[in-house]
Amino acid sequence: QKEVEQNSGPLSVPEGAIASLNCTYSDRGSQSFFWYRQYSGKSPELIMFIYSNGDKEDGRFTAQLNKASQYVSLLIRDSQPSDSATYLCAVNNWRGATNKLIFGTGTLLAVQP
Amino acid sequence: EPEVTQTPSHQVTQMGQEVILRCVPISNHLYFYWYRQILGQKVEFLVSFYNNEISEKSEIFDDQFSVERPDGSNFTLKIRSTKLEDSAMYFCASSSRQGEQPQHFGDGTRLSIL
Repeated sequence: QKEVEQNSGPLSVPEGAIASLNCTYSDRGSQSFFWYRQYSGKSPELIMFIYSNGDKEDGRFTAQLNKASQYVSLLIRDSQPSDSATYLCAVNNWRGATNKLIFGTGTLLAVQP
Repeated sequence: EPEVTQTPSHQVTQMGQEVILRCVPISNHLYFYWYRQILGQKVEFLVSFYNNEISEKSEIFDDQFSVERPDGSNFTLKIRSTKLEDSAMYFCASSSRQGEQPQHFGDGTRLSIL
């Protein structure tokens, strides 16, 4: 069974701090990695995606991928109370002839004002 | 910015009844998906659809489920005889290409089976 693992949290950080969210995956053939933000009762909203080892930055967000360790992370700099949400890690092995996203259970982030 | 739209936002149905959930994917997208999320649980893949046929389905997507693209814009999920355990948020998603391109999600339909 291919799995995506996340710490459910809550991860509590003060406003202005860096929040670090982590995800591991079991399918070594995974090719594409996505971070979605989900507010309570709402749909997943794409934040970042990464395909290659290393870092990818977009504004306050940085995604980091290490395929050898099967590890992907999301850093949120200058965290704001509006960042408080559940962050979902999702992976895809499209070269394995599948388009489906496999989601983790999500990490609840709470940014304290 | 283009978005995926879903209707209705909330559907309440008696057990055993048929429901149809509707989605309008982003207009230039070719790949369409349904996912569901039972309250408090992870988002689960149901089915993917490309070129007017199912390309992949999960174990959840049994004979009670079907999908259709009845015209050039709509994408529907039908549950023939609903069960209590079908109560969940159902999300439609679309992508421009397979795999490496991100899937964009609609706001979802909350399905409540009584």
